[in-house]
Amino acid sequence: LAKTTQPISMDSYEGQEVNITCSHNNIATNDYITWYQQFPSQGPRFIIQGYKTKVTNEVASLFIPADRKSSTLSLPRVSLSDTAVYYCLVGDTGYSGGGADGLTFGKGTHLIIQP
Amino acid sequence: GAVVSQHPSWVICKSGTSVKIECRSLDFQATTMFWYRQFPKQSLMLMATSNEGSKATYEQGVEKDKFLINHASLTLSTLTVTSAHPEDSSFYICSASPSATNEKLFFGSGTQLSVL
Repeated sequence: LAKTTQPISMDSYEGQEVNITCSHNNIATNDYITWYQQFPSQGPRFIIQGYKTKVTNEVASLFIPADRKSSTLSLPRVSLSDTAVYYCLVGDTGYSGGGADGLTFGKGTHLIIQP
Repeated sequence: GAVVSQHPSWVICKSGTSVKIECRSLDFQATTMFWYRQFPKQSLMLMATSNEGSKATYEQGVEKDKFLINHASLTLSTLTVTSAHPEDSSFYICSASPSATNEKLFFGSGTQLSVL
């Protein structure tokens, strides 16, 4: 499983755009990149997933360069409620037919949004 | 999105007793479910992979006789912490995917276990 490296913590202010970058130098061909959000005493919540280039949904964008050795989660116009831990995960989704891996969580990024 | 229900959300028990945690996929079938443990201010640690109709696969260092996993149907997996001790106190989380390829996992709300 590819190891991921993220900043331990980040601070920002309401209304700002926040970009969290994750390094995954050993990503494999079958690996997808997935980001989750976790609030205290709750299970992680899926944010976005991608394989290459750019993916956008109603809550975030995910930018993946051609070499796929890193990815950047972009949260537009954050609010106080976006204060949480954000995890970047890389793993085989099972598309190859061999079955998926249970995702390995790194330390995550503790994002703190201030008024 | 798909919903994974976990019950109970918290439990307090005496040392030496066993505790069962249920994980249900409410609106989809899940051949595979995953169980995690999380200590305060730490990340999630994968404990085991639960496979419907077969034995669970445990991660290195996780005692299979201590953490019994049963995946009897496509919508239910249970984790039983046997003879619980204070060091087993933790936040336990399950996850499952509506897709056969597990590309998007949905997580339960977690169970906070406190062993006195």
